[in-house]
Amino acid sequence: LAKTTQPISMDSYEGQEVNITCSHNNIATNDYITWYQQFPSQGPRFIIQGYKTKVTNEVASLFIPADRKSSTLSLPRVSLSDTAVYYCLVGDNQTGRRALTFGSGTRLQVQP
Amino acid sequence: DVKVTQSSRYLVKRTGEKVFLECVQDMDHENMFWYRQDPGLGLRLIYFSYDVKMKEKGDIPEGYSVSREKKERFSLILESASTNQTSMYLCASRSLEPFYEQYFGPGTRLTVT
Repeated sequence: LAKTTQPISMDSYEGQEVNITCSHNNIATNDYITWYQQFPSQGPRFIIQGYKTKVTNEVASLFIPADRKSSTLSLPRVSLSDTAVYYCLVGDNQTGRRALTFGSGTRLQVQP
Repeated sequence: DVKVTQSSRYLVKRTGEKVFLECVQDMDHENMFWYRQDPGLGLRLIYFSYDVKMKEKGDIPEGYSVSREKKERFSLILESASTNQTSMYLCASRSLEPFYEQYFGPGTRLTVT
């Protein structure tokens, strides 16, 4: 499984755009990139998933360069409620027989 | 909406007791998972089941076993609870379409005294 590296923590202020980058140098051809968000005392929840270029949904955007060795989760105009831990996962979506590794994630603190 | 439920939110057990943590999902997902989460260590996979009666060890299976007799139910068993198993336990099920997405339960905070 591809190993991921992301910052341990980030700070931001309300209204700013936040970009969290994840490195995955040994990503395989069949691997997808998935981001989860976890609030205190809750289980993680799916935010966004992509394979290449850019994916956007109502919550976030995911930017993936051509070499796919990294990805960036972009949160537009964050609010206090975006304070959470964000996890980057990389793995094969072709079968349901592999578990992906969550790691320690990036703790985002949004200040007023 | 997908629903993953866990039998207890909080549980206190004594060292040496046998502990059962139950997880039920209502979306007919084939894949189910058990994780534990400790401060500073993120989510660590204990066991994974990709189908009924099928299981695979995760990163930290020692001291745990699992049972999956029915598709919707995945049980985590602590054969003889120890204080180092005090943790938050999270269950998840996974869809394969349209996204490879895991749905988590609310968690069980287990304290072993």
